[in-house]
This record gives sequence, C-alpha cells and structure tokens, in this order.
Amino acid sequence: QVQLVESGGGVVQPGRSLRLSCEASRFTFSSYSMHWVRQVSGKGLEWVAVISSAGTVQYYADSVKGRFTISRDNSKNTLYLQMDSLRVEDTAVYYCAREPPAAHNHWYFDLWGRGTPVTVSS
Amino acid sequence: DIQMTQSPSSLSASVGDRVTITCRASQSINNYLNWYQQKPGKAPNLLIYAASNLQSGVPSRFSGSGSGTDFTLTISSLQPEDFATYYCQQSYNSFPITFGQGTRLEIK
Repeated sequence: QVQLVESGGGVVQPGRSLRLSCEASRFTFSSYSMHWVRQVSGKGLEWVAVISSAGTVQYYADSVKGRFTISRDNSKNTLYLQMDSLRVEDTAVYYCAREPPAAHNHWYFDLWGRGTPVTVSS
Repeated sequence: DIQMTQSPSSLSASVGDRVTITCRASQSINNYLNWYQQKPGKAPNLLIYAASNLQSGVPSRFSGSGSGTDFTLTISSLQPEDFATYYCQQSYNSFPITFGQGTRLEIK
C-alpha cells in the first residue's frame, strides 16, 4: 500500500552523527515535496526540514540549521536526514511526511511514516 | 516565527457530545491552517487542510472554520475512536511551519 517507512534511528552520544532514511512505496515519490517532523516523547510536534520534489530547494528549522541536512534520491524513492553534531535536545521520534502537489504552499502533510526514535545520550 | 496557541490544552467529553477546539495564531495567517489527529504511539493523521477542507476519508463529523488569527475544529458528535490529541499547524507565507501545543481529548 501507499506508505512511508523510516529507519536509521538509535542511541548516539552527543556530538556524533546519525543518518535517517525514509523509503516511499506505491506512489510517485518524485512528484512530492517531503518533510521531516519530530516529536519529543509526550510533547508536541516540531517541523524540522523540507526538500522540494526535485531536491533543489531545502529549508530548515533554526534549531537544526547548520547541523542537519535533508536530501533525497528519487531513483531509490528515498528521503534522508543527515544529523551531525547531535545534541541531547535532538532526542525525539522523527517522522517523514509527504506534502501533496495540490497543497499549493499550504504545506500540509497527507501521509506520514510511523517514525523512528532517536536518543542522544552519553 | 508565528506562534500557534490551542485551547483548551485538555478536554473531557462524552460520546455523542459536540466538541470545539480553538487555535489562535500570533499574526494573521489567512486560511493557512491545518488540523491533525494523533493517537498514542501513532503518527499524526490529517483531518482538515486550508482551514475548512475535509481530507479525503475523514468522517464528516469533523469540520474546520476560521480565517485570519482564529480557527476552530469541531466534532459534531463524538465517537469512541475520536479520543486522541489534536494539533493545529500553520503554513503561512514562509518557513518555519509551526504547530500548536496540542489538545488532548479524553473520555469523561
């Protein structure tokens, strides 16, 4: 079925790196802008980053700018989030989410993955 | 950044009740407001986009309204599966996208 599946989460020490992946199935991945959204356990949602359908444009939350890099490989139907210089406050469940073309800058998310947990701890 | 404030933060209601959740933006966001439902351990699910448009597959008991700074999500007759946390999200003009803090809807 149409789905997004994240992977790559885990436990990492502060200052280290981690790369998350999000594999898309059964839709034309290359037609959609894609986002990462995170959620601290028991807390609210925080938008992290977006990448355009062709991968040419990216935007980031100030909290991750300069440390995280969003990218995609449309030939592999996969979205990535390279997380460097990780901090304790980056601990969260990370979701990838799809923005439909029809959103027309309304930037809503009509499909989410199940999330992958990231724990940054010494 | 545009701040989104939801009220109430939590709410107790009974099956069959009509429930309204409010979301207020720190500045006018036209109709760039979306609503999500999240159940424990699950990803959020889109309910309403562009303030008042019902996402495909979402029951018609859910509705959204508002423009500018004040928005509401209404559930006309609560069903057992509606007990969850609800988030508003703004997407006006530019990034960053921001969410409200959430409203937890519990069974009375």
